Order: sequence, then structure tokens, then C-alpha cells
Amino acid sequence: NAGVMQNPRHLVRRRGQEARLRCSPMKGHSHVYWYRQLPEEGLKFMVYLQKENIIDESGMPKERFSAEFPKEGPSILRIQQVVRGDSAAYFCASSPSGYSYNEQFFGPGTRLTVL
Amino acid sequence: AQSVTQPDIHITVSEGASLELRCNYSYGATPYLFWYVQSPGQGLQLLLKYFSGDTLVQGIKGFEAEFKRSQSSFNLRKPSVHWSDAAEYFCAVGAEGYQKVTFGTGTKLQVIP
Repeated sequence: NAGVMQNPRHLVRRRGQEARLRCSPMKGHSHVYWYRQLPEEGLKFMVYLQKENIIDESGMPKERFSAEFPKEGPSILRIQQVVRGDSAAYFCASSPSGYSYNEQFFGPGTRLTVL
Repeated sequence: AQSVTQPDIHITVSEGASLELRCNYSYGATPYLFWYVQSPGQGLQLLLKYFSGDTLVQGIKGFEAEFKRSQSSFNLRKPSVHWSDAAEYFCAVGAEGYQKVTFGTGTKLQVIP
């Protein structure tokens, strides 16, 4: 059973470009979470999605950021008009249900560098 | 809203020595508590979790953690550290209900020979 897949692993963008980060959850998991990790700051929750629904986007900046998890295909975190401050590692996690006691399974992350 | 504090940013221990990583949480009800480990360049892996029952929880790789409600703590311990334990460790707290988990800022563990 393959784990959580994220691609690309590394992404370099120039200021003003768009970044699209993909996450394929573990087989059978319909709940996806996105986190951002900055050095010395731990993981910050961004958004929680279930198939075709955004459940909680309270941690996501209101502008330039969006996320989706379509019925078919991976979850996408999209950052428009990237700025240097968007440089970070972005992690996706999945779980089989939305209950807090379930383990979240993490992908290897996408490291975004904005030049 | 729940929160979690890991007061130690870096810890250095000698191989074979015991280890305790501190974690304090804030939540009004019984929390769900987790410890994850992150190796360099990798995602996070669950070490152990607590949500009810025995307050001493055993995890993978020889780790254990004890939930102390009176101290709002969930410290991670290992009796004898191995060089391969060098990594960053994250404590996390979840609220009852749907799964919004809040992570601490992490503790980086260095193991010296």
C-alpha cells in the first residue's frame, strides 16, 4: 500500500508565478490536510479537505492560496503570484476519517523556493 | 482552541543516555495527544498517541510518553538513545471531534557518540 505521495518534491518559482502542489492520499483515505513548515516554526495547519469539499480553511491566507480535492485525482494546493515569503516546505497528510484520534499519514513534502 | 508548547528547541544527548522531551498542551477537555518524528528531508511519522485509557503510552522505536492531566503535559521518553534517533520531534494536540490537529514548534534532537 503506497504511502502519501506528493509532487513535485522540489519546486522553484520566480516571484509572480504560480505554484501547484499535488498530493495523492493513501488508498482508501478521503481526508486530506495541508500544512506549511517554516524553519524554527513547526507545522502550521492550512486547510482540511474531504472529497469535493473544503471542511476547514482557517489556516490558509485569504488571498493567492486555494485548495481542492476533486472526486477523481489528487488534492491540489495552488499558490498564485508567489512571493519570497511563500518559500517553505508544504506537507500533505491523509487519514481514513475526520476524527481527531486518527493518525495522520504524512507525505514527504514539497519544498518551494521562490526566487 | 487548543495549543501546544515544546519549550526545548534543541537538545543534545549522548548515545546510550536517557531522553525526555517536554510537551505542554492547553485544551479545556480531554485532549488527543500525539508525538511525531521527522527525519531530515522527510515527512512526519507517528511515534505514539493518547486519547483515553492508560496514561502511559508505548510507541514505536522504544519510545513512551506519559499523559499527566494535572500538569497538562505529555512528555516523550526513551531510556537509551541511539544515534539513529537524531531527528526533530513534534508534539501535537487534537480536539474532540473532527481532526484539526495543532503541532508544536518541534524539538531537534542531536545525538553525540
